[in-house]
Amino acid sequence: GAGVSQSPSNKVTEKGKDVELRCDPISGHTALYWYRQSLGQGLEFLIYFQGNSAPDKSGLPSDRFSAERTGGSVSTLTIQRTQQEDSAVYLCASSLDRGGEKLFFGSGTQLSVL
Amino acid sequence: SQQGEEDPQALSIQEGENATMNCSYKTSINNLQWYRQNSGRGLVHLILIRSNEREKHSGRLRVTLDTSKKSSSLLITASRAADTASYFCATDARRSGGSNYKLTFGKGTLLTVNP
Repeated sequence: GAGVSQSPSNKVTEKGKDVELRCDPISGHTALYWYRQSLGQGLEFLIYFQGNSAPDKSGLPSDRFSAERTGGSVSTLTIQRTQQEDSAVYLCASSLDRGGEKLFFGSGTQLSVL
Repeated sequence: SQQGEEDPQALSIQEGENATMNCSYKTSINNLQWYRQNSGRGLVHLILIRSNEREKHSGRLRVTLDTSKKSSSLLITASRAADTASYFCATDARRSGGSNYKLTFGKGTLLTVNP
């Protein structure tokens, strides 16, 4: 596609439910990032995929969070047993080659946990 | 943890004035980038400066990098109301034991340009 696509754009869920957020990076981009941004805050790094290397999961806040990237393309971020503090905008970004170069961001998923 | 920290947290100026935002970081980097964010959604890349560069220009943007002080500045000249946004610096950090990198962002500077 022309850009990074994220779905859904908005998600409202009840506390305790599981949610899946999807990211479709730009075709051919080998690096993919997930970030979280709470209202008025900076970007919190969650996880980074680079090609076929083991992902860098160092930013995942708890074991309720997991992510996978299938076939080196689409990525899914899963949050199990959601809590109210999980409410935030979840941003996905991809880059052409190794990480550290220019990132292209999706429009994000606004997650609201009631 | 945050690698880059922007200063000031918020800046309000009049249209036509220049806006300067600063970024400080902690560890050695390969490059530093500036991004812009409107309305709390996706970020847009503005400019990348490599560690062996001291200054870079792009249109009304001027970025400087001082690796000895571990700091960078973003200057927007002749600001416009449309420049109102949050501005973030991002630095790469080498993964331990590998050649891959990840970008970490600061908390941003909220710039308001008043008409």
